[in-house]
Amino acid sequence: EAGVAQSPRYKIIEKRQSVAFWCNPISGHATLYWYQQILGQGPKLLIQFQNNGVVDDSQLPKDRFSAERLKGVDSTLKIQPAKLEDSAVYLCASSASPSSYEQYFGPGTRLTVT
Amino acid sequence: KNEVEQSPQNLTAQEGEFITINCSYSVGISALHWLQQHPGGGIVSLFMLSSGKKKHGRLIATINIQEKHSSLHITASHPRDSAVYICADRNTGNQFYFGTGTSLTVIP
Repeated sequence: EAGVAQSPRYKIIEKRQSVAFWCNPISGHATLYWYQQILGQGPKLLIQFQNNGVVDDSQLPKDRFSAERLKGVDSTLKIQPAKLEDSAVYLCASSASPSSYEQYFGPGTRLTVT
Repeated sequence: KNEVEQSPQNLTAQEGEFITINCSYSVGISALHWLQQHPGGGIVSLFMLSSGKKKHGRLIATINIQEKHSSLHITASHPRDSAVYICADRNTGNQFYFGTGTSLTVIP
């Protein structure tokens, strides 16, 4: 079974530039999560999708971050414009349902903002 | 506000030692998860607990719901156990909150 795929794996941009990350969850998984993990900290949930609807985006900085999951499968997370403090690993995870005990994580995208 | 605290933050052990990592949380939960994160970012789910104790190989996880506390134990530790161990709780609203992790280094 293929795991959660993310791209790119690494990205370096200058502040005020835009960047987009892509996630392809495990086939059939209805729930998709985006997390931000700053060095030395645990992951922080940015947004949770159930199919193509948003379940929780309370911690998403909506002035600069946006995410979509148009067909209920792949998802993109965008930052526009980026700030230095956005440097982090962005993790995508999926689960079969919101109440599923198991989350499967992708390898992450390491973003460096200079 | 839900807070998840882990201790210790960093742990160095000799190969073969028994290791304990602790996790405390502040609000009622529906499940508590232990995750392992290797260098490079990959995260693997180790356990999901809602009560009692679970064992998988050399790993044991326990939870005390009344005390809002969980522990992860590693018996006969090995250098390949070196990783960051993260505790995460899932509240009754199915929201996940993660601890900051415990960085474990096992020396041969």
